[in-house]
Amino acid sequence: GQQVMQIPQYQHVQEGEDFTTYCNSSTTLSNIQWYKQRPGGHPVFLIQLVKSGEVKKQKRLTFQFGEAKKNSSLHITATQTTDVGTYFCAGGNAGNMLTFGGGTRLMVKP
Amino acid sequence: DAGITQSPRHKVTETGTPVTLRCHQTENHRYMYWYRQDPGHGLRLIHYSYGVKDTDKGEVSDGYSVSRSKTEDFLLTLESATSSQTSVYFCATAGLADVHEQYFGPGTRLTVT
Repeated sequence: GQQVMQIPQYQHVQEGEDFTTYCNSSTTLSNIQWYKQRPGGHPVFLIQLVKSGEVKKQKRLTFQFGEAKKNSSLHITATQTTDVGTYFCAGGNAGNMLTFGGGTRLMVKP
Repeated sequence: DAGITQSPRHKVTETGTPVTLRCHQTENHRYMYWYRQDPGHGLRLIHYSYGVKDTDKGEVSDGYSVSRSKTEDFLLTLESATSSQTSVYFCATAGLADVHEQYFGPGTRLTVT
């Protein structure tokens, strides 16, 4: 079945440094979604990308969908302590189901 | 956040006992999902529903069953709990919008001793 791999598993950064997490799918995706889960919380939807090569920005967050629709990345510029949490990518298919990556846990040192 | 509640929020049970987790939504969303979350595995789909009485298996369905008799309720049952089913269980819902985002409930922490 479809597999979605995400790296790195953990990332420690100093506040103000940039952060990137990468997502790779074993199959071509119809869309990719990104979620954030704060410690002790539940996943919260951030964004969906649908088009090949699509780039979307939300303030300091930049999301990219690869040309082949098999990979994606999330980049955070100048991290803040409020960015702490685990970031998940999730590959979507036509059946309204998502396959989640293992997540990248971001820790920010003030 | 969408109106999704899960009950119980925490449960400790013994191996071999049946356990039912409940997910309740007030958004009238068509799709409902049960995931389990374990360290290093992200979120794995157990079962999902695409309408009342319409359910299907996910990636890790062995040992679990579900039922959906009303739009707002989706039940997950562990017929005979095992220690490998110790996990955090999340329910999620999704509507019919073009952006098929999923809304997650607060989770249930289940410990099987």
